[in-house]
Amino acid sequence: AQSVTQLGSHVSVSEGALVLLRCNYSSSVPPYLFWYVQYPNQGLQLLLKYTSAATLVKGINGFEAEFKKSETSFHLTKPSAHMSDAAEYFCAVSVGDMRFGAGTRLTVKP
Amino acid sequence: DAGVIQSPRHEVTEMGQEVTLRCKLISGHNSLFWYRQTMMRGLELLIYFNNNVPIDDSGMPEDRFSAKMPNASFSTLKIQPSEPRDSAVYFCASSLEQGLGEITGELFFGEGSRLTVL
Repeated sequence: AQSVTQLGSHVSVSEGALVLLRCNYSSSVPPYLFWYVQYPNQGLQLLLKYTSAATLVKGINGFEAEFKKSETSFHLTKPSAHMSDAAEYFCAVSVGDMRFGAGTRLTVKP
Repeated sequence: DAGVIQSPRHEVTEMGQEVTLRCKLISGHNSLFWYRQTMMRGLELLIYFNNNVPIDDSGMPEDRFSAKMPNASFSTLKIQPSEPRDSAVYFCASSLEQGLGEITGELFFGEGSRLTVL
C-alpha cells in the first residue's frame, strides 16, 4: 500500500532563510504526489502536484518540489521564507485513494 | 463559484447523541471525500465517493459511522451513537476525477466541522 513519511513534525526558520520540508513516499507503482498547506482553522489548499510530466514542480507562493525516484523523495523547498508561510504542510500520495503524511508545522521567526 | 461548504462549523454534544455533519460539493465535481483530523492520528481518510458511489470506506471506524450522498452535490456523515473518542475536526473535500477509483486531481477542502463529544 502507498504511504508518505514526513521527516520532522516541526521546522523553524528565520525570515529570508531557505525552507526545506522533507517527504518520502512508498508506492509500488508510479504515484501522483502532492503538497498541501493548512492555515489555522482552515481546510487544506493545494500547493503543487507531481504527475510525471516533469521532476521539478513549481507551485504557488514560490514553493517548488523535486521528484527523485531513486530516493523515493518529494521534498518541498522555498528559497526565502516569509512570515506568511507559517502553517502546517502535508505531503500526500495517490495510487487509488489519497493518503496524507502526518504534517510538518513551519514556524518563521522574524 | 462557492467552495466546499460544511455545516455545522462547531458541534458540541454529549456521549450517545446522534451527530450529522453536512457537506455541499463544488458544482460540477464528481468525487467526495470525508477526512478526520486529530492531533494523535493526523488526517485519516474515512470514505470517498465517485459519481455518488462509495469507492473506499475502509477508513470508516466502525458501524457507528455512516456516510451518504443523497444527490450529486450533497453528502452527510452520521455518527450514532457518538463517543468522546470521536472528537475531531471532520473535513469534506471534493474534486473532479476522470477515472473511476483513481484520484489524480486537486482536492478542494471545506473549512471543517469541529466536533466535541463530552
